[in-house]
Amino acid sequence: GAVVSQHPSRVICKSGTSVKIECRSLDFQATTMFWYRQFPKQSLMLMATSNEGSKATYEQGVEKDKFLINHASLTLSTLTVTSAHPEDSSFYICSAGSDRENEQYFGPGTRLTVT
Amino acid sequence: AQSVTQPDIHITVSEGASLELRCNYSYGATPYLFWYVQSPGQGLQLLLKYFSGDTLVQGIKGFEAEFKRSQSSFNLRKPSVHWSDAAEYFCAVGTYGNKLVFGAGTILRVKS
Repeated sequence: GAVVSQHPSRVICKSGTSVKIECRSLDFQATTMFWYRQFPKQSLMLMATSNEGSKATYEQGVEKDKFLINHASLTLSTLTVTSAHPEDSSFYICSAGSDRENEQYFGPGTRLTVT
Repeated sequence: AQSVTQPDIHITVSEGASLELRCNYSYGATPYLFWYVQSPGQGLQLLLKYFSGDTLVQGIKGFEAEFKRSQSSFNLRKPSVHWSDAAEYFCAVGTYGNKLVFGAGTILRVKS
């Protein structure tokens, strides 16, 4: 299957700072990338969908000014958590999909801890 | 609205015993259905998927699932569980725009 990487795998930042998470599709061109958030012992909640070269579409209740998503190329999407607060601490997972397949390939996730 | 229900939060089975994880979905059109497995602190690995055709789907690691439209179910099964199968399992339905709606997950514990 296709390989999706995320960087960093873990990050600790201070409250009020911003942190960027990268999601890369390593061996295919991802026309669509998805960002999920997973709280401890809970399921994945879709935050936003990004298509290469266009603005991301955010799910209801997700602050687009707080969670900035950029999908500048067919292999890279970034999620920037701006002015992070402890309640933003979570496990963030990206996935990538192509037009040809009704399937998403998931990255390994990024553990964000805001102190 | 689309939804996925996994009624069992935790399941414990003995190693070598059979396993069935339940999944019910609500979706207006013909569903795309998936089962994923997640080990602690890891991303999701696809076990199997159903798009159309044969309603009994074979996946990796000896898992299979059966799509039953009349029951809106897509239960995951394995005839003999191994200790390494201990993980959390998520059922998901694919919706418009290739979005996925996930169930709450079922944590599988394996007794030796």
